[in-house]
Amino acid sequence: AQKVTQAQTEISVVEKEDVTLDCVYETRDTTYYLFWYKQPPSGELVFLIRRNSFDEQNEISGRYSWNFQKSTSSFNFTITASQVVDSAVYFCALTTFFGNEKLTFGTGTRLTIIP
Amino acid sequence: DTGVSQDPRHKITKRGQNVTFRCDPISEHNRLYWYRQTLGQGPEFLTYFQNEAQLEKSRLLSDRFSAERPKGSFSTLEIQRTEQGDSAMYLCASSPAGWNEQYFGPGTRLTVT
Repeated sequence: AQKVTQAQTEISVVEKEDVTLDCVYETRDTTYYLFWYKQPPSGELVFLIRRNSFDEQNEISGRYSWNFQKSTSSFNFTITASQVVDSAVYFCALTTFFGNEKLTFGTGTRLTIIP
Repeated sequence: DTGVSQDPRHKITKRGQNVTFRCDPISEHNRLYWYRQTLGQGPEFLTYFQNEAQLEKSRLLSDRFSAERPKGSFSTLEIQRTEQGDSAMYLCASSPAGWNEQYFGPGTRLTVT
């Protein structure tokens, strides 16, 4: 069985502040993939990043960065210098080598950026 | 537009009626997935296809639900004898191969009255 936990239900920050969204996962498989998706008010899920379990190197893409730590089973997402357009629900998801490719999602974190 | 498309975007139906949703994946993607999302929750997997073959179905997919992908291109999801508990957003996604990122469509919001 696999599980993704996003303990932060809602976060509000003032524009230009940095914010970190937490994601903790559970799986018995040694080969797995982790994802982050953004769901803006329009409703369409937008792919942000995919990492595999063998690559713990942190990644930065513009104002976005991801911290993958296998020791704590976490895959956290940081937005630097937040903007109002970052307001959305963010989902962390997991798929495993033996999970037949289906994504297991967390319950999401609703991020509100206050202008 | 080369993204995943879904039709209709919204559907209101009365309990007991049948509904059918359509999904057109990105053209070169051979994998197609259906998920269901209820308010305040993340999407939950329903079923997926590799080309025209349906490879897995979730236990969430009761016998009132059926999905097809007859020619390995578009897919349909049918719900028979709808119940109020079927009210949700039905999401379709596609990917080019296993364990790649899945690209989602805008969803079909179903309301059963």
